[in-house]
Amino acid sequence: QQPVQSPQAVILREGEDAVINCSSSKALYSVHWYRQKHGEAPVFLMILLKGGEQKGHEKISASFNEKKQQSSLYLTASQLSYSGTYFCGTASSYSGAGSYQLTFGKGTKLSVIP
Amino acid sequence: NAGVTQTPKFRVLKTGQSMTLLCAQDMNHEYMYWYRQDPGMGLRLIHYSVGEGTTAKGEVPDGYNVSRLKKQNFLLGLESAAPSQTSVYFCASSYLGTGVLSGNQPQHFGDGTRLSIL
Repeated sequence: QQPVQSPQAVILREGEDAVINCSSSKALYSVHWYRQKHGEAPVFLMILLKGGEQKGHEKISASFNEKKQQSSLYLTASQLSYSGTYFCGTASSYSGAGSYQLTFGKGTKLSVIP
Repeated sequence: NAGVTQTPKFRVLKTGQSMTLLCAQDMNHEYMYWYRQDPGMGLRLIHYSVGEGTTAKGEVPDGYNVSRLKKQNFLLGLESAAPSQTSVYFCASSYLGTGVLSGNQPQHFGDGTRLSIL
């Protein structure tokens, strides 16, 4: 079952912050985040594992709430280059088939304007 | 550094025709995947492979076949193309990983193949 992403779309001005959520009705062991620019391939951002800490770089980070089966991607002080569609992919186990088969959400389109 | 290479990049087919999409990776990855991406649907897994000579069905396998005769190549075949298979197809690969990270590795995507079926 596909994880649910929210919001579906968001428009930001440069410098503003955004949060993208990814929720699942199934128990999750890891959540992947990818960004895809129009006409290009998805690009890996980060993986969060169950029991792991919040991860990320200075301006793009993510968290994983095990109790809620939810992950959130935080983009702070957004830049024009952050524009694109963000996808979460969820895995249902630590190892074996469930760990490398990802189920992707439908994506969140982020537009950053000057 | 090529990464994951897909050929062709674009193709137009007529209903009923067959074709094969090729994916090649030079990262010595064990796992390879084929996805389709349709507007508003995200990425959906068609088939995947955990190693040379092995394949398995994903979420939307009907109408497609795959083969992985060599570790670096993963082929996706459409036996009798239908308009519903019009989509952008992405190939991806990932490392096996070890221990607790086994399987939980980043997927590296190719640039995609835009396929239109008339």
